[in-house]
Amino acid sequence: GQSLEQPSEVTAVEGAIVQINCTYQTSGFYGLSWYQQHDGGAPTFLSYNALDGLEETGRFSSFLSRSDSYGYLLLQELQMKDSASYFCAVRLGNTPLVFGKGTRLSVIA
Amino acid sequence: DSGVTQTPKHLITATGQRVTLRCSPRSGDLSVYWYQQSLDQGLQFLIQYYNGEERAKGNILERFSAQQFPDLHSELNLSSLELGDSALYFCASSVGLEGGYTFGSGTRLTVV
Repeated sequence: GQSLEQPSEVTAVEGAIVQINCTYQTSGFYGLSWYQQHDGGAPTFLSYNALDGLEETGRFSSFLSRSDSYGYLLLQELQMKDSASYFCAVRLGNTPLVFGKGTRLSVIA
Repeated sequence: DSGVTQTPKHLITATGQRVTLRCSPRSGDLSVYWYQQSLDQGLQFLIQYYNGEERAKGNILERFSAQQFPDLHSELNLSSLELGDSALYFCASSVGLEGGYTFGSGTRLTVV
């Protein structure tokens, strides 16, 4: 089967940088996605990494190392509105995404 | 508005009852996915339809069923409801079998 591990909670200060890690054990790995979900809201797509390396989109970056079965989401210049849950999800071929349990990020002043 | 429409937003029903959740995918998207999210849990995949046909099944209970209609909207039917079925049910769509998912705002089901 597949398993994804990510920290359950992370707290960071406004304006700082935070990294949310995700390790996975899967077969047939194609890529790693990240989604953001605010309380009471719907998950929204942030990024997708199919190849090793860093992808940058504004204040958010996502990294993948296929050899280490590891990825992370990097949030810079944290803002209060970044307080949310962040889910990593693996793509295994054409099968539906498998999501991790999520990391609850709290941004404090 | 993500373009994926889910109705109703909230549903309260008694144990043993049956409910139907509805989802209209984003225009042009052929794939529809149903996920269940319980308190402090991740998103558990239930079932996927692609262009009207069932494509993949996850940990969907036998009491649950779904279908996708010719206009591509989908319905998730939950029957013989139990207290443990209380959860957020999300529908998502994507253009094809790859690409990012666009989620609807979800249906919060409370079974009392």
